[in-house]
Amino acid sequence: GAVVSQHPSRVICKSGTSVKIECRSLDFQATTMFWYRQFPKKSLMLMATSNEGSKATYEQGVEKDKFLINHASLTLSTLTVTSAHPEDSSFYICSARDPSGRAKDEQYFGPGTRLTVT
Amino acid sequence: AQSVSQHNHHVILSEAASLELGCNYSYGGTVNLFWYVQYPGQHLQLLLKYFSGDPLVKGIKGFEAEFIKSKFSFNLRKPSVQWSDTAEYFCAFSDTGRRALTFGSGTRLQVQP
Repeated sequence: GAVVSQHPSRVICKSGTSVKIECRSLDFQATTMFWYRQFPKKSLMLMATSNEGSKATYEQGVEKDKFLINHASLTLSTLTVTSAHPEDSSFYICSARDPSGRAKDEQYFGPGTRLTVT
Repeated sequence: AQSVSQHNHHVILSEAASLELGCNYSYGGTVNLFWYVQYPGQHLQLLLKYFSGDPLVKGIKGFEAEFIKSKFSFNLRKPSVQWSDTAEYFCAFSDTGRRALTFGSGTRLQVQP
């Protein structure tokens, strides 16, 4: 099946700094990627939809200036958490759709990135 | 608003017991339905999906789910669980236009040997 990777898998940063998380589709081209956030013992919440070559679409309540998304190529989307605060500590997961795949509307998930802001 | 409700937050079963996890969604239009599993320390994996056709869908590892449109439900079943089924299970749906997934809160399944 299609593979999605994320880097880094785990990051610790100081409050006020910025952190970039990469999401790559390894064996397919993804025109659309999604960024989710998972709180402890809770579900995944969609943060934004990342579209290659255009601006991301953010969900209500997600600060677009704080969570910068760039989808510069068909295999890479990045999420930058700017001026991170301890409340941004979470598990961030990306997923990607393979529009050319036989599994229409199926999303492939990355392994996630654990962000801890101290 | 779109939402998914998973009624069981934590289920503990003995090996060979039967499993049924409830899932109800709230959306007025056509949906695609999914069950994902997250084993400890691993990423989300697709168990099964329903797009159209036969409402009883079979997935990997002996799991199946039935879509009952009148009840807005998509319950997950397995006749005989194994210790290796211990994991977190998420029900999700997407509408055919938006394509992003709306997840339920998850059910933690613990299978005791």
